[in-house]
Amino acid sequence: AQSVAQPEDQVNVAEGNPLTVKCTYSVSGNPYLFWYVQYPNRGLQFLLKYITGDNLVKGSYGFEAEFNKSQTSFHLKKPSALVSDSALYFCAVRDGSGAGSYQLTFGKGTKLSVIP
Amino acid sequence: GAVVSQHPSWVICKSGTSVKIECRSLDFQATTMFWYRQFPKQSLMLMATSNEGSKATYEQGVEKDKFLINHASLTLSTLTVTSAHPEDSSFYICSARGRTSAAAEQYFGPGTRLTVT
Repeated sequence: AQSVAQPEDQVNVAEGNPLTVKCTYSVSGNPYLFWYVQYPNRGLQFLLKYITGDNLVKGSYGFEAEFNKSQTSFHLKKPSALVSDSALYFCAVRDGSGAGSYQLTFGKGTKLSVIP
Repeated sequence: GAVVSQHPSWVICKSGTSVKIECRSLDFQATTMFWYRQFPKQSLMLMATSNEGSKATYEQGVEKDKFLINHASLTLSTLTVTSAHPEDSSFYICSARGRTSAAAEQYFGPGTRLTVT
């Protein structure tokens, strides 16, 4: 079984300040980790992913995430928040160690509000 | 890049009627498609996984006779909500994965808002 925890329902940050959206995961094999963003009444937009390699992953719109195996975390970060970053953010995991149906398991989402 | 479309983007139907939602991969062949349901302020819940040319695999608790999924071609999957009721009102999102998709990559459609009155 695989699971994702996003411990914060909402994160508020002032524009220009750094932001962090937390994610921890549980998976039996090798973790494939993803971050997606969702704007109201829209589908999910891919931000970044970790499959293998460098623990620091850079993605779209200036976002990055750091894979920490010992802490089973994959926190999303951005050095300077924009008002337009306000949205709902989902962390997702898949077990990449074997054949399967490629199913993703999503966290419950974190609402990010960037205050002007 | 890979694009997935959904049609319609929103639909209102009366209780007891059926509604069909289409999910298309526009520039790649989708060997696997996924259907998710999202309630307000909640996460995406996987409903079913379908592979082209075979029957869909439904998640536990999802009624396969109510949510009919057809993946008849490599670019089209449909979800039909049969005998819809107000509790079926939700945001339905599909995603697709192709043969040449980067490891574990899924591409998501924009979603369909279903309201059953």
